Amino acid sequence: QVTLKESGPGILQPSQTLSLTCTFSGFSLSTYGMGVGWIRQPSGKGLEWLANIWWDDDKYYNPSLKNRLTISKDTSNNQAFLKITNVDTADTATYYCARIDSSHYFDYWGQGVMVTVSS
Amino acid sequence: DVVLTQTPSTLSATIGQSVSISCRSSQSLLDSAGNTYLYWYLQRPGQSPQLLIYLVSNLGSGVPNRFSGSGSGTDFTLKISGVEAEDLGVYYCMQATHAPLTFGSGTKLEIK
Repeated sequence: QVTLKESGPGILQPSQTLSLTCTFSGFSLSTYGMGVGWIRQPSGKGLEWLANIWWDDDKYYNPSLKNRLTISKDTSNNQAFLKITNVDTADTATYYCARIDSSHYFDYWGQGVMVTVSS
Repeated sequence: DVVLTQTPSTLSATIGQSVSISCRSSQSLLDSAGNTYLYWYLQRPGQSPQLLIYLVSNLGSGVPNRFSGSGSGTDFTLKISGVEAEDLGVYYCMQATHAPLTFGSGTKLEIK
């Protein structure tokens, strides 16, 4: 059974760094073709892809967030991470992690974690 | 970036009615290897999105066969043959052929 669960700080202030963790089970990020992606959704709005990391440590980022994103993984502990530097109120959203299995993009999603950026 | 335009933005249907949602891409989603990375997701109220269709027309695991996907190039369609009450929510198309991955703006399905 595949499960994913996001965790994060809940609230942080502008200019701080947002650190998110995705803890998953039922698959391994060391298996060929596996990946984890991060997607966010401001309240009442649509979905925005942020980044993907693959079994071979390939990483892809949404250039709209320029150099603010860093994705990483801890294969031994079945976790993936996303850091967003210099956050702003526009980064207030629910953040999801989701599995990628080869061409099956985002076939399993976490429940999401709400993040609020406020002074 | 590839822009995915979904129509309609809102859809109202009765139980048992068949409906279609269109997703049009600003560029062809066919890659050089002959694959088309077009996906459909449903986000029910208060829930995370779930995968319905992958690679244009393949049903996701556990997805009822009243859902079907079709299309090629820049024009894609999600069809629900016989809407059920549990189908209400927002439907998103997504492309993964071109970086960055992009989502359509969503189609909200309401049940009359």
